[in-house]
Amino acid sequence: KNQVEQSPQSLIILEGKNCTLQCNYTVSPFSNLRWYKQDTGRGPVSLTIMTFSENTKSNGRYTATLDADTKQSSLHITASQLSDSASYICVVSAAAGNKLTFGGGTRVLVKP
Amino acid sequence: DGGITQSPKYLFRKEGQNVTLSCEQNLNHDAMYWYRQDPGQGLRLIYYSQIVNDFQKGDIAEGYSVSREKKESFPLTVTSAQKNPTAFYLCASRSSGRGYNEQFFGPGTRLTVL
Repeated sequence: KNQVEQSPQSLIILEGKNCTLQCNYTVSPFSNLRWYKQDTGRGPVSLTIMTFSENTKSNGRYTATLDADTKQSSLHITASQLSDSASYICVVSAAAGNKLTFGGGTRVLVKP
Repeated sequence: DGGITQSPKYLFRKEGQNVTLSCEQNLNHDAMYWYRQDPGQGLRLIYYSQIVNDFQKGDIAEGYSVSREKKESFPLTVTSAQKNPTAFYLCASRSSGRGYNEQFFGPGTRLTVL
């Protein structure tokens, strides 16, 4: 069964600090992995997409890594801002049929 | 503005009632999706449509129905057969072109059963 597990479920960080979110998956055959940011009460918005051959990709202060051998990904937030307070969702796409498997998300709260 | 719109933003339903959630997109996307989001859980696929006049059940279709009469529209009806309908509902669309096409999400509808 395809699964995506994220950790931690939630975390609180002080403004300006860094944090790292983890994503482990068992989706097969693997096509690509996306990180989405979801503000409270809004739809998710894509931050990055990574394919099998990529092991790091940045989008501003967000840097995603992918280890396809261990089936792990991380999202690193640098110099956090209050606007980073949101849920971050890891989504893995299987090669067959473009079916998506969603993680439960990590809720991040940035405090001043 | 290009994008996906969902309405209403908040919806209250009495037990035993059917309600319909609207989803419209002007991105010219062929594929459209309905997801349900519950606290602490990943999004779960209810129904999807790859083309007009065709749709497929997702993982949790029981108690829901959809139609796809126009490319731009993919309404979801939550029927009285859905035993626990209180949730956040998200509509998405995706281009069917080649490549790793992103699913774009609407702003969501929060449904509460009174």
